[in-house]
Amino acid sequence: DAGVTQSPTHLIKTRGQQVTLRCSPKSGHDTVSWYQQALGQGPQFIFQYYEEEERQRGNFPDRFSGHQFPNYSSELNVNALLLGDSALYLCASTYSGRGRNEQFFGPGTRLTVL
Amino acid sequence: GDSVTQMEGPVTLSEEAFLTINCTYTATGYPSLFWYVQYPGEGLQLLLKATKADDKGSNKGFEATYRKETTSSHLEKGSVQVSDSAVYFCALSDFQGAQKLVFGQGTRLTINP
Repeated sequence: DAGVTQSPTHLIKTRGQQVTLRCSPKSGHDTVSWYQQALGQGPQFIFQYYEEEERQRGNFPDRFSGHQFPNYSSELNVNALLLGDSALYLCASTYSGRGRNEQFFGPGTRLTVL
Repeated sequence: GDSVTQMEGPVTLSEEAFLTINCTYTATGYPSLFWYVQYPGEGLQLLLKATKADDKGSNKGFEATYRKETTSSHLEKGSVQVSDSAVYFCALSDFQGAQKLVFGQGTRLTINP
């Protein structure tokens, strides 16, 4: 059973560019959340997708947007990249039904903005 | 808003020493508490959880109790190993983990042989 997968592993962009990160949830999971983890910090919640809609959003600007597909996979898009967007981007998935609702994390995508 | 504060790191211990990592939180309602571990170059792994007051979670020799009266949770292990070297995060969620997680800043642990 594959866990949460993310692509690409690493990415280097320049200021002003746009980037798309991808996430496939763990089998049986229908909810995907994205987090930004700056170096030496704890992850910060960006947003969560369920039934192809954004269900919750953290304190991130509109440059950060996302999408969830019918197969529950998800994309995170960041426009007009800033140097401060350099971070590890983590995807987490969970099942929305009753019972165990732990979030399982992928290995992350390391984004470097030059 | 909800927030989590962890003890300052880094923490350096010798193998077989006793470990305690402190975590306090502020939250509305009745959050669930989680401890995650991040090994070098990897994503986060759920170590254990405690979903209600006085719950005790345990896994791989680690234990943590959810102290609602002191809004805290302390991660403990009786005898650490070199392989326990990692960053440990305390996190809370407002609905059994399905909603967003609010993380502390993490505590880096290094175990020397």
